[in-house]
Amino acid sequence: AQTVTQSQPEMSVQEAETVTLSCTYDTSESDYYLFWYKQPPSRQMILVIRQEAYKQQNATENRFSVNFQKAAKSFSLKISDSQLGDAAMYFCALGSGGSNYKLTFGKGTLLTVNP
Amino acid sequence: DAGVIQSPRHEVTEMGQEVTLRCKPISGHDYLFWYRQTMMRGLELLIYFNNNVPIDDSGMPEDRFSAKMPNASFSTLKIQPSEPRDSAVYFCASSVEYQPQHFGDGTRLSIL
Repeated sequence: AQTVTQSQPEMSVQEAETVTLSCTYDTSESDYYLFWYKQPPSRQMILVIRQEAYKQQNATENRFSVNFQKAAKSFSLKISDSQLGDAAMYFCALGSGGSNYKLTFGKGTLLTVNP
Repeated sequence: DAGVIQSPRHEVTEMGQEVTLRCKPISGHDYLFWYRQTMMRGLELLIYFNNNVPIDDSGMPEDRFSAKMPNASFSTLKIQPSEPRDSAVYFCASSVEYQPQHFGDGTRLSIL
């Protein structure tokens, strides 16, 4: 069975500062994908960033970057220059089966951005 | 380009009634997924389709739940009879192979 663990139920950050959200996972597969999704109060699920397990280089998307440690099965999300619009629930997800067919989600981390 | 479209956005009904949730995937996407989100269990995959064929329904909680995809542009998730514990947000998502899933805005279902 696959598991995704987000150990921080809540985090807060000052506007313009940097925050890191943690995620660990467990899978027996060698080929998988990892994702961070954002869910603002509007309830939408918005893809923030994704990482293919076979790639050693950490993915980046503008102010968002990941620290992917495959041996440690760790996949943290760093948000730089935090903005008020970044406030949301963030979910880490693991896609199995050699693709992203079956996503297993963590419980989420609620991020608050303070002005 | 329109995203995944779900209807209704909110549904309130009484226990025992039949509930039908609808989803229109992004055009050209051949994978369609149904998820349920609750405070207790988080986001769970219920079932997914590939080319309109159900591939894995191991997440469907019980026989009261059924899902169909009669064509590439439409899917339904039906609960009959509904129970209060079915109250949740139900998401539909679609994708093409090896690409991230795109989610709809979800349907908030309340069973009284």
